[in-house]
Amino acid sequence: SQTIHQWPATLVQPVGSPLSLECTVEGTSNPNLYWYRQAAGRGLQLLFYSVGIGQISSEVPQNLSASRPQDRQFILSSKKLLLSDSGFYLCAGRTSGYTDTQYFGPGTRLTVL
Amino acid sequence: AQSVAQPEDQVNVAEGNPLTVKCTYSVSGNPYLFWYVQYPNRGLQFLLKYITGDNLVKGSYGFEAEFNKSQTSFHLKKPSALVSDSALYFCAVRDGSNYQLIWGAGTKLIIKP
Repeated sequence: SQTIHQWPATLVQPVGSPLSLECTVEGTSNPNLYWYRQAAGRGLQLLFYSVGIGQISSEVPQNLSASRPQDRQFILSSKKLLLSDSGFYLCAGRTSGYTDTQYFGPGTRLTVL
Repeated sequence: AQSVAQPEDQVNVAEGNPLTVKCTYSVSGNPYLFWYVQYPNRGLQFLLKYITGDNLVKGSYGFEAEFNKSQTSFHLKKPSALVSDSALYFCAVRDGSNYQLIWGAGTKLIIKP
């Protein structure tokens, strides 16, 4: 089964600073990958998803961006963080094909001060 | 449009008692339904899913869920709750058009000793 790795686990950044969160996948090829944000320990908001290298779909317009430079690497970035970017960021992967189950990484807790 | 509702923000159960966490859905076509659990500051863990077949689905940690087509429900159940079951539980339904998951708002389950 696939394993999703994320780092760092926690991050404290000042407003206006850049951001780079990385997600890598083990145990599968050509996965569909997802970035979610969870605010206040509750609902999940889908930010981006990718079906392949260089293919990114954005669900919510904001100052975040995503890239997929390799098959099993998914990066979430920002040029200038806002206070409202604080939250718990989760990467998930799904093996393409019939399997619907998404598997999640451990998450990154981002605090913007 | 596809949607998922978790009508209870929080459920309180005494240890040893049976528990139920409710989920209702609205989909066009056959529903693909999922339950996930999230412990504090952790990623989501897959518990179980319903694709087709038996209406009673068994999953991890002794949980099961009952699919009821007439009531459009997929309630999560466990015969005897443990304090360690205390967590946030998410129900999700697959969007048939693009394989993405549509998430409920989450239900906080508190098991009291």
